[in-house]
Amino acid sequence: QVQLQESGPGLVKPSETLSLTCAVSGVSISSSYWWSWVRQAPGKGLEWIGEIYHSGNTNYNPSLKSRVTISIDKSKNQFSLNLNSVTAADTAVYYCAKVVVVSWFDPWGQGNLVTVSS
Amino acid sequence: EIVLTQSPATLSVSPGERATLSCRASQSVSNNLAWYQQKPGQAPRLLIYSTSTRATGIPARFSGGGFGTEFTLTISSLQSDDFALYYCQQCSEWPRTFGQGTKVEIK
Repeated sequence: QVQLQESGPGLVKPSETLSLTCAVSGVSISSSYWWSWVRQAPGKGLEWIGEIYHSGNTNYNPSLKSRVTISIDKSKNQFSLNLNSVTAADTAVYYCAKVVVVSWFDPWGQGNLVTVSS
Repeated sequence: EIVLTQSPATLSVSPGERATLSCRASQSVSNNLAWYQQKPGQAPRLLIYSTSTRATGIPARFSGGGFGTEFTLTISSLQSDDFALYYCQQCSEWPRTFGQGTKVEIK
């Protein structure tokens, strides 16, 4: 059974970098899947951030591309999200997910609420 | 980017009744559309992919249809567990995008 678990600080100061990690269990991160980050601002809809393949290839949302880096650590079976120069608008629950057939998100992690505030 | 518009924003339905949710794409996504269910405080769960294929473990009362720019999610007989938020998502182009959601509430 594939499971994903996000971890990272729940509070980040404005202008700093948000860093989250997604630990994957039940499947090798080097399998033929992409791995993705999606966020959801409080009371709002879902926004795709980007994705990574075990080769290191990435795709990013153009709206965030200048501030986002997604990386992968095959030795730890996990992948990470860095979002720099954060503002209050980046306050959200951040989810990691496995991408099926380069298309669908399944399953999802439980989510990690990150608040940007001084 | 492809914009997905869901309607209605809120759907009030009695248990046992049929619910039909709509998702319209700003340009054709072929059959590259999925549906997710989200309950308060939980992560989204994949219900339907490739427009009409139910994900593993999803009951047969959930069905999807459509093609191109017009899609529907139908719940044939609403159970108490089905009252939730529903999102559509396209994977025809990057960036992947989601609709704004339809809340299915108890009438």
